[in-house]
Amino acid sequence: KAGVTQTPRYLIKTRGQQVTLSCSPISGHRSVSWYQQTPGQGLQFLFEYFSETQRNKGNFPGRFSGRQFSNSRSEMNVSTLELGDSALYLCASSPTSGPRGEQFFGPGTRLTVL
Amino acid sequence: AQTVTQSQPEMSVQEAETVTLSCTYDTSESDYYLFWYKQPPSRQMILVIRQEAYKQQNATENRFSVNFQKAAKSFSLKISDSQLGDAAMYFCAYRSPLNTGTASKLTFGTGTRLQVTL
Repeated sequence: KAGVTQTPRYLIKTRGQQVTLSCSPISGHRSVSWYQQTPGQGLQFLFEYFSETQRNKGNFPGRFSGRQFSNSRSEMNVSTLELGDSALYLCASSPTSGPRGEQFFGPGTRLTVL
Repeated sequence: AQTVTQSQPEMSVQEAETVTLSCTYDTSESDYYLFWYKQPPSRQMILVIRQEAYKQQNATENRFSVNFQKAAKSFSLKISDSQLGDAAMYFCAYRSPLNTGTASKLTFGTGTRLQVTL
């Protein structure tokens, strides 16, 4: 079974632009979570989607948004990029929403904001 | 809110030796889940081992085992017979039970970088 895939793997943007990251979960997984990883803040939870509904959201500004499609694929959007948004963005999928579903991570998208 | 603390930024172990990585957490919940994830330089986060808080028996996965002390809120990872491929960042993570609003969220520690030397 194929793992979690994320596209693109690397992205360079300038301040003020917007960006969309994509995540395809493991086949059959309905829950997709997003995390931001930076050297200063570590790994921080952004949000989780289950069956096309946002079920949980971390403490990030409204510039960060996401959605999930009927095939469970998810996109994350960041508008009006800031230098501090430079990070590794990780997507994780799980067969169910809840603790019994272990989260399986993708390779991440490295976003650099200039 | 739950917090996870990893007090060892870096650890080093010789090949074939044993190393223990420390993790403590703070929570008011009685039922929860704890995980150790490994992130090698390739950046892919890999689940190493998991522990359900209601289980008293410590989890074991091949060369990896945990020492789970619920009362002390401690969850250490022991790696036996260390191999060069074990070199990576190791993250301890906490997850709330199903009937809470934060069930889908993993709370991570700051990580421990493990070096394996010959």
